Amino acid sequence: LAKTTQPISMDSYEGQEVNITCSHNNIATNDYITWYQQFPSQGPRFIIQGYKTKVTNEVASLFIPADRKSSTLSLPRVSLSDTAVYYCLVGESYGGSQGNLIFGKGTKLSVKP
Amino acid sequence: GAVVSQHPSRVICKSGTSVKIECRSLDFQATTMFWYRQFPKKSLMLMATSNEGSKATYEQGVEKDKFLINHASLTLSTLTVTSAHPEDSSFYICSARDRGPGPYEQYFGPGTRLTVT
Repeated sequence: LAKTTQPISMDSYEGQEVNITCSHNNIATNDYITWYQQFPSQGPRFIIQGYKTKVTNEVASLFIPADRKSSTLSLPRVSLSDTAVYYCLVGESYGGSQGNLIFGKGTKLSVKP
Repeated sequence: GAVVSQHPSRVICKSGTSVKIECRSLDFQATTMFWYRQFPKKSLMLMATSNEGSKATYEQGVEKDKFLINHASLTLSTLTVTSAHPEDSSFYICSARDRGPGPYEQYFGPGTRLTVT
């Protein structure tokens, strides 16, 4: 399973765009990149998933370069409620034997007023 | 999105007793469910992978006789912590993988806070 590396923490202010980069140098051909958000004492919540290039949904964008060795989660105009831990995970998404998700340390994002 | 529930959300038990935690996928069928444990200010640690109708696969260092997992149906998996000790106190989170064609998403339950006194 590909190991991921993220910054331990990031600070931002309300209304700013936040970009969190994740390194996954050993990503395999069948691996997808998935980002989760976790608030204290809650289960992780799915944010976005992608394989290559750019993916956008109503809450975030995910940028993946051609070599797929890294990815960047972009949160536009963050608010105080976006303060959470963000996890980048890499794994198969078609139910293969490597489909279980292994969590890294995550990035603790603190949004200030 | 799909919903995964856990019951109970919080439990306190005495040392030496057993506790069962249920994980249900409410609006989809899950052939595979996962159990994680999370200590304060730490990341989630995968404990075991549970496949419907077969024995669970445990991660290295996780005692299968202490953490009994039963995945009896496509919507229910249970984790039983046997002979609980204070060091088993933790936040237990389950997740379920949609049975449909990929790419799939893994949906997480809200977690169960276990405190062993």
